Amino acid sequence: QVQLVESGGGLVKPGGSLRLSCEASGFTLSDYYMTWIRQAPGKGLEWISYISASGTTKYYADSVKGRFTISRDNAKNSLYLQMKSLRAEDTAVYYCARIAIFSPTDMDVWGKGTTVTVSS
Amino acid sequence: QSALTQPASVSGSPGQSITISCTGTSSDVDNYKFVSWYQQHPGKAPKLLIYEINKRPSGVSIRFSGSKSGNTASLTISGLQAEDEAVYYCWSYASGNTFRIFGGGTKLTVL
Repeated sequence: QVQLVESGGGLVKPGGSLRLSCEASGFTLSDYYMTWIRQAPGKGLEWISYISASGTTKYYADSVKGRFTISRDNAKNSLYLQMKSLRAEDTAVYYCARIAIFSPTDMDVWGKGTTVTVSS
Repeated sequence: QSALTQPASVSGSPGQSITISCTGTSSDVDNYKFVSWYQQHPGKAPKLLIYEINKRPSGVSIRFSGSKSGNTASLTISGLQAEDEAVYYCWSYASGNTFRIFGGGTKLTVL
């Protein structure tokens, strides 16, 4: 069964750091580009980062550039998002998603999300 | 760069058809074929419905269809069913630093 499971969310103070993980199962992670997308409470979706299958190419939304780092360990079937200098506006559900083989810009498998709350 | 523009809400009765629009600019929708639609039920992760303007992934109902004219993409849902009640997001490739951009979402209510 193809599945993505995020973990690592929680409550953190402004300026703090957090590392999210996304474990893949049911498919070979190294065959796929991956992405992180977030959704603030009651708000829409926001794309935040993207990484190539090998991990050599990475893109970030301007809202997180310089503060967030995407990475992957294909041997461990895992994707990561290191977040630092967190702000209240980073409060959201964070989803990891697989980029579809049939379309280079679309996500065909999503995790259930992990919640990050930035508050003092 | 601002999000793509979608109506906040639409509604329809079972069996009817509805269309949701998604308006962008020359930096995104107007100039690329990479326009997609996602469906999100409350508390759930989004689901890909339409990609590359009008293609359906395997398993998605033929009741969902997409189109594009200039800088506006559209999602049409025919034969509305109660389970179609959800929020629908359009999504486009974008030039420059934005790279990817979502619409603000449209809440569909099935009356």
